[in-house]
Amino acid sequence: QVQLQESGPGLVKPSETLSLTCTVSGGSISSYYWSWIRQPPGKGLEWIGYVYDSGFTNYNPSLKSRVTISEDTSKNQFSLKLSSVTAADTAVYYCAREGYFFDTTAHWYFDSWGQGTLVTVSS
Amino acid sequence: DIQMTQSPSSLSASVGDRVTITCRASQSVSNYLNWYQQKPGKAPELLIYAASSLQSGVPSRFSGSGSGTDFTLTISSLQPEDFATYYCQQSYSFKTFGQGTKVEIK
Repeated sequence: QVQLQESGPGLVKPSETLSLTCTVSGGSISSYYWSWIRQPPGKGLEWIGYVYDSGFTNYNPSLKSRVTISEDTSKNQFSLKLSSVTAADTAVYYCAREGYFFDTTAHWYFDSWGQGTLVTVSS
Repeated sequence: DIQMTQSPSSLSASVGDRVTITCRASQSVSNYLNWYQQKPGKAPELLIYAASSLQSGVPSRFSGSGSGTDFTLTISSLQPEDFATYYCQQSYSFKTFGQGTKVEIK
């Protein structure tokens, strides 16, 4: 059973870059799509983007200019960098695996999640 | 962007009640629609994928239906452990979530 664990600073200053890492255990990172999702306190979920196949990425258009997601297959990890952060980026950040079901096409869904890590943007 | 709108935003129900949550997409997402349950302080958990397929290990009292723009999550007989917030999510174009429906104890 795959397990995911987020790690990184819990406090980031405004205008700086938020950096988080997700360590995957119980399975290889070399398959599936691997996503970051965030949730501001008391609010809903927002998909940030994913990485797959050792470097192909896709990002939420609303965050694309500030986001970089990358993979390190040797460490079975993937990472998030979000630049020029403001208080609006304060959230619990989750990493998640995207599994799929194939009938006539592939149906993608988030089937494994990390526990989440709170990142606060404040000076 | 495809917007997902859930209704109601919250509801109060009793153990044993039949509960229905709806999710509407701003344009057709075919059946690229998933449902998640989230309890306070926890990560979401997948309940339903491809609009109507039950994730392994999820109780059969949960069911999903719909296609195109209108979808429904039904809990046939609400149990104490089902009090939580429920989210729909489309995977047709990028990924977007509904705003959530909080199911509270009546």
